[in-house]
Amino acid sequence: DVKVTQSSRYLVKRTGEKVFLECVQDMDHENMFWYRQDPGLGLRLIYFSYDVKMKEKGDIPEGYSVSREKKERFSLILESASTNQTSMYLCASSLRPHIYTFGSGTRLTVV
Amino acid sequence: AQSVSQHNHHVILSEAASLELGCNYSYGGTVNLFWYVQYPGQHLQLLLKYFSGDPLVKGIKGFEAEFIKSKFSFNLRKPSVQWSDTAEYFCAGQTGANNLFFGTGTRLTVIP
Repeated sequence: DVKVTQSSRYLVKRTGEKVFLECVQDMDHENMFWYRQDPGLGLRLIYFSYDVKMKEKGDIPEGYSVSREKKERFSLILESASTNQTSMYLCASSLRPHIYTFGSGTRLTVV
Repeated sequence: AQSVSQHNHHVILSEAASLELGCNYSYGGTVNLFWYVQYPGQHLQLLLKYFSGDPLVKGIKGFEAEFIKSKFSFNLRKPSVQWSDTAEYFCAGQTGANNLFFGTGTRLTVIP
């Protein structure tokens, strides 16, 4: 089974901190994604990547950046965390543009 | 723009009741449709998918969904729910090789 591992399950950070959320997949998938999940808003795409060193903005990229230096790793960066970035962050990967495998999520609280 | 909408935000059922969760998509062309489920504390996982062919698709755990093109709908059904079906359900769509777009989710609570 494909596994998508997110390094932290829960994180608490202070406003203004730089935050790194890490995601690693073990099945050589080309495509990786970062979503945030909020009650009543569903999943919203922040950034995605179809290849190493490649990144594309999703629907809500403001306040975020990403890094993909290796195929298996896709990092989400909050340059200066704010309270409105308190959310559940989900990483996903896919080999073809159809079936996504999700990680367990990182619940980030910014205080 | 393509989108999916889920009008039921929270559904509460007793065990053995039948379930139907609504999903409507807005896109005039070919669309792939999915239902994902997120059990409490677990990751999102695929329940079922529709690409083409038989509009009635069967997924895991006794779930099924019917693609009705004329109604732009892809509703999820289960004849008899169990307490273990308590979860959040997301409808998702995809056009061509583009990314998935998700609905806002429906929270299902099944009362024993």
